[in-house]
Amino acid sequence: QSVLTQPPSVSAAPGQKVTISCSGSSSNIGNNDVSWYQQVPGTAPKLLIYDNTKRPSGIPDRFSGSQSGTSATLGITGLQTGDEAYYYCGTWDTSLTAVVFGGGTRLTVL
Amino acid sequence: QLQLQESGPGLVKPSETLSLTCNVSGGSISSGSYYWGWVRQPPGKGLEWIGSLYHDGATYHNPSLTSRISISVDTSKNQFSLILRSATAADTAVYYCGRHRGDYGDGLDYWGQGTRVTVSS
Repeated sequence: QSVLTQPPSVSAAPGQKVTISCSGSSSNIGNNDVSWYQQVPGTAPKLLIYDNTKRPSGIPDRFSGSQSGTSATLGITGLQTGDEAYYYCGTWDTSLTAVVFGGGTRLTVL
Repeated sequence: QLQLQESGPGLVKPSETLSLTCNVSGGSISSGSYYWGWVRQPPGKGLEWIGSLYHDGATYHNPSLTSRISISVDTSKNQFSLILRSATAADTAVYYCGRHRGDYGDGLDYWGQGTRVTVSS
């Protein structure tokens, strides 16, 4: 049982938009910045979003992040087959004094 | 370009100690205000943070693992290490090392390729 809750899977057609939610509490998302990672099976996670909304250099603006209250959302527009991967949210939990991750969401581009 | 590479035995016997090293190249582990961390991923499961450290030796551990782990840094070798004692089958996972963007609560922007560790007799 992960501290942060994500839907197990989402799907959409190529070219469409998808959002992935990450739900937490006041001890994590509510008071700390969220990061999002993309992981293609068999490879290391890749940072997509940090500080809730910022993209590292090289990450296309098709990827966006937002945060409101105790939830965060990753948005991906113009879906491509290459976006098929698992997506994880993560943040610091002040009560647990630990970095916590969501359980991951599998994105399928139909 | 910063690169991280994990190394260590791929097979550990139950009750024994798992020891991994992360070698950092393309940059100094002592430069900048970055924390460095360990994350693991059991087969078919999600990510679990193990712990993170600063080049001055300050460390933060996952409370669920803190009694069994030690994380240390060797700035002269530009590497940091993980020791996990009393290993069980539940510790079987791919272990990743990474660099936080800044503080230990910040996202990890550089990752090693991961090393698979199996705990089995």
